[in-house]
Amino acid sequence: DSGVTQTPKHLITATGQRVTLRCSPRSGDLSVYWYQQSLDQGLQFLIQYYNGEERAKGNILERFSAQQFPDLHSELNLSSLELGDSALYFCASSVAADYEQYFGPGTRLTVT
Amino acid sequence: ELKVEQNPLFLSMQEGKNYTIYCNYSTTSDRLYWYRQDPGKSLESLFVLLSNGAVKQEGRLMASLDTKARLSTLHITAAVHDLSATYFCAVDHPGTYKYIFGTGTRLKVLA
Repeated sequence: DSGVTQTPKHLITATGQRVTLRCSPRSGDLSVYWYQQSLDQGLQFLIQYYNGEERAKGNILERFSAQQFPDLHSELNLSSLELGDSALYFCASSVAADYEQYFGPGTRLTVT
Repeated sequence: ELKVEQNPLFLSMQEGKNYTIYCNYSTTSDRLYWYRQDPGKSLESLFVLLSNGAVKQEGRLMASLDTKARLSTLHITAAVHDLSATYFCAVDHPGTYKYIFGTGTRLKVLA
């Protein structure tokens, strides 16, 4: 158990819908990262937050947004969902940049 | 654009044998990370390599970093079945805080 929690574990929704994925980092970690893992695209870095502020954006679509709240938990919002958004979404946390990241168990999103 | 390539993509090896997984990256970076992922599971951090020449070992796994060659290796010594997993290397894009993962190497150790 990495100490990072993600909810829900599984999510099935229809195209065009909007969903919110939630992540709680390890106690004391200030950095939160979001990743998407799919068979065709591999593991893609989406976005990083540090102590509530956005620090870096990766391959995150405009339909996706995220935020980190004052209690350091983070949410990833996915809207106008398409079939191709079906994937595993991981959250990770670290004390700061350059430190190892601890990954949560992931949320498996299926868009039908 | 930073690219990270791993080879081989698939590796099937006998127990007791040694092998090396290679991770090449295209842009200067002083930091490289290795992760392990079991089927259907999350990623587990194995090593963090923070400088040229860094070498870290844990059990049958040893990782090294050559920043001049932009190459990291993950060496497996006397493989055992429990090492079967997918191994990823990742590099952070200098100055951007973005992380680029390699394609992964799926390792299968045969008894």
